[in-house]
Amino acid sequence: AQTVTQSQPEMSVQEAETVTLSCTYDTSESDYYLFWYKQPPSRQMILVIRQEAYKQQNATENRFSVNFQKAAKSFSLKISDSQLGDAAMYFCAYRRGYGGSQGNLIFGKGTKLSVKP
Amino acid sequence: GAGVSQTPSNKVTEKGKYVELRCDPISGHTALYWYRQSLGQGPEFLIYFQGTGAADDSGLPNDRFFAVRPEGSVSTLKIQRTERGDSAVYLCASSLIRRENTEAFFGQGTRLTVV
Repeated sequence: AQTVTQSQPEMSVQEAETVTLSCTYDTSESDYYLFWYKQPPSRQMILVIRQEAYKQQNATENRFSVNFQKAAKSFSLKISDSQLGDAAMYFCAYRRGYGGSQGNLIFGKGTKLSVKP
Repeated sequence: GAGVSQTPSNKVTEKGKYVELRCDPISGHTALYWYRQSLGQGPEFLIYFQGTGAADDSGLPNDRFFAVRPEGSVSTLKIQRTERGDSAVYLCASSLIRRENTEAFFGQGTRLTVV
């Protein structure tokens, strides 16, 4: 079975600084997708960034980028120029990607990010 | 609709009662998922619908939990004989069924409290 581990229950960053959130996963499959979701107090999960396992290039979305190490099964999220609005719970998630089926998401336990002004 | 809508936003019920939680997905999304998020945890998969049928219900914890999607759009999660351990946020997500760029869009969830 696939598992996702986030070893940092809480992280803190100064506004405008950079922070990295860690995620490791375990799978025997070769075709899969990895995601980072943000969950503010409103509870709605918001997709931050997506990485396809078959792509070697790390995904980037504006201030958000990932360091995808497939052999090490590591998928960290880097937030640059942190803003107060980045404060939230961040969840790393795994999804199988094969055939035409969607596949459900497997989430880690989350990291609570605080941003200090 | 513009996004995934879940009602009610909050539900308090007494132990042993029956509850229904509703999810209205994005129009045209054929895939629909229910997740349960307990306090301090990440969401855990409950059930997946592809159209009207439950394609994967392996995450349902026991037979007190049941979900339907009779017309392939709105889904209802039903919990019988609620227990205090059922207290959690129940999240619904929908997506297109497409291998690439299949982003799942989440609703704001229903916070269920069993007292």
